[in-house]
Amino acid sequence: QVQLVQSGAEVKKPGASVKLSCKASGYTFTSHYMHWVRQAPGQGLEWMAVINCNDGGTIYAQKFQGRVTVTRDTSTSTVYIEVNSLRSEDTAEYFCARDHSREETTWWFDPWGQGTLVTVSS
Amino acid sequence: SSELTQDPAVSVALGQTVRITCQGDNLRTFYASWYQQKPGQAPVLVIYDKNNRPSGIPDRFSGSSSGNTASLTVTGAQAEDEADYYCSSRGISGYYWVFGGGTKLTVV
Repeated sequence: QVQLVQSGAEVKKPGASVKLSCKASGYTFTSHYMHWVRQAPGQGLEWMAVINCNDGGTIYAQKFQGRVTVTRDTSTSTVYIEVNSLRSEDTAEYFCARDHSREETTWWFDPWGQGTLVTVSS
Repeated sequence: SSELTQDPAVSVALGQTVRITCQGDNLRTFYASWYQQKPGQAPVLVIYDKNNRPSGIPDRFSGSSSGNTASLTVTGAQAEDEADYYCSSRGISGYYWVFGGGTKLTVV
């Protein structure tokens, strides 16, 4: 079955960087884009970025451009997100989610990884 | 503020029908997808491509769309449907994606 397994929780100090992973299995990795979505404690979902797992092309939310980098490793079917210059507001659960789309009119995310909690605290 | 607007909270009596709405100009062009999230869990897709359900999602969940509003209807709500529900769509002005603020559904 299709599965996305994310790396474990991280605790970082302000100003540090963190790199999270999302390992895909059960499908052809390069056939789907992968999104990253985060959720601050008690808050809603926030879209961050998407990567084309075939050619590595990326699109970032304007808010995160220059501070977030998404990459992939096709040999291990793994997508990574690196967040730099961490601040307390980056404390959140980070999810990866596989992209689906049809005819440039509809997109959906399924499945989702289990999430990785990143805590930024001095 | 998000491009997609949802009511923060909705309640429904057990076994009754409830509609959760999502408004945004991008919904005139793009279909919404809907996600259910229970405390401490990752979101789960419940409706996609206007009104399709993934396998395993009960048929009491349905979707519809009209103008700038997408709706998720739960017909005969069950206690296990109590959760946060999020709509999502592509952004109106480019390749980015947005989520509504979420609706907390309480089954009483």
